[in-house]
Amino acid sequence: QITLKESGPTLVKPTQTLTLTCTVSGFSLSNSGVGVGWIRQPPGEAPEWLALIYWDDDKRFSTSLKSRLTITKDTSKNQVVLTMTHMDPVDTATYFCVHRQLGAKVRGIITQNWFDPWGQGIQVTVSA
Amino acid sequence: DILMTQSPSSLSASVGDRVTITCRASQYISTYLNWYQQKAGKAPKILISGISSLQSGVPSRFSGSESGTDFTLTIASVEPEDVATYYCQQSYSSPFTFGPGTTVDLK
Repeated sequence: QITLKESGPTLVKPTQTLTLTCTVSGFSLSNSGVGVGWIRQPPGEAPEWLALIYWDDDKRFSTSLKSRLTITKDTSKNQVVLTMTHMDPVDTATYFCVHRQLGAKVRGIITQNWFDPWGQGIQVTVSA
Repeated sequence: DILMTQSPSSLSASVGDRVTITCRASQYISTYLNWYQQKAGKAPKILISGISSLQSGVPSRFSGSESGTDFTLTIASVEPEDVATYYCQQSYSSPFTFGPGTTVDLK
């Protein structure tokens, strides 16, 4: 059974750097095809995808937040870490860690991938 | 970035009603369209992947389809437990964007 759990501060001050850790179980971060990402959701708004790191250390980032984000993984600790610099009150949100699931190959091609499961989320408030 | 739009933004349905939610992508996304259900205070949960593949444990009253440039989530007969917000999401290319959501409540 795959599980993910977020940890980190729930309150940060404006201009500070946020560091969130996702601890995973039920799979290895080094397994071929594995991807673990971060998604945030401000109160009353839609989810916003932030970043994804793959088993081979390839990384993808939100276009608008790319300059502020770093994502790394520690395979030995089963952890994925997201850092976001220059935090602002508009960054107040619930931050979710997600596992990227791949669908079966159809004629040699993977035609589906989705986020499942999601961690329980961690509420982060940015306030002085 | 691929922009995902949804309509309607909200709807009220009676138990037993057929409900349709539409999602559109601003660019080609092939079969990489997913639907999530989010209940109050919970993380989103995958309902349908790859346009129409129902995830394990999801009731068969949920279905997904494609028509031209539109993707559709249908609830064949709404149940009280379907009260939630539904999001489409494209997983074709990074950044993996979500739609703004459709909130379903009961009349």
